[in-house]
Amino acid sequence: DIQMTQSPSSLSASVGDRVTITCRASQSISSYLNWYQQKPGKAPKLLIYAASSLQSGVPSRFSGSGSGTDFTLTISSLQPEDFATYYCQQSYSTRITFGQGTRLEIK
Amino acid sequence: QVTLKESGPVLVKPTETLTLTCTVSGFSLSNARMGVSWIRQPPGKALEWLAHIFSNDEKSYSTSLKSRLTISKDTSKSQVVLTMTNMDPVDTATYYCARIRRTVAGTWWFDPWGQGTLVTVSS
Repeated sequence: DIQMTQSPSSLSASVGDRVTITCRASQSISSYLNWYQQKPGKAPKLLIYAASSLQSGVPSRFSGSGSGTDFTLTISSLQPEDFATYYCQQSYSTRITFGQGTRLEIK
Repeated sequence: QVTLKESGPVLVKPTETLTLTCTVSGFSLSNARMGVSWIRQPPGKALEWLAHIFSNDEKSYSTSLKSRLTISKDTSKSQVVLTMTNMDPVDTATYYCARIRRTVAGTWWFDPWGQGTLVTVSS
């Protein structure tokens, strides 16, 4: 199975900060990479699909980039509602795998 | 509006078989570009994909759980069913179903997700 590794595992930041989360695949996955946001007690929500396409309704401060094995999720200016856990997920293989998550906390 | 809702027991005993049902609305399980997946999340831990099924009955299972899982669908009822045999306390988790959207290019993603159902395995 393809392993997905996120870094950092946790991150403290302030409102207004620019934040970048990294996801690395154990083999090339082209652009078959998605990002989700999960708040406590809630189901995950799709943010970015196909590495860089913004899901409808998601604020433009969220962006994704990368291809091959290295990907990033960037939040350009953190808002209070952005404090959550973020997961990457590959769909290159039919055996889907997620990253271990990045918890974004308020500094 | 697309919605998915999970249903099933909240408590199962060790060695028992878990049966979960995902009832969907707002899309058809016969749509070639869509499917349904099951994903779980133990308390405080990461997401773990379990299985998926597409309209043409194409299925895939988690490598580590393949021997215990069966996924099926009833298109007329708009339901996808997951069974997991030989349940253990480590299988305690919130179980989600999610719609898969698949493009012609082959990329796909989960959107939206159901609210999830917490299943506890305990004697």
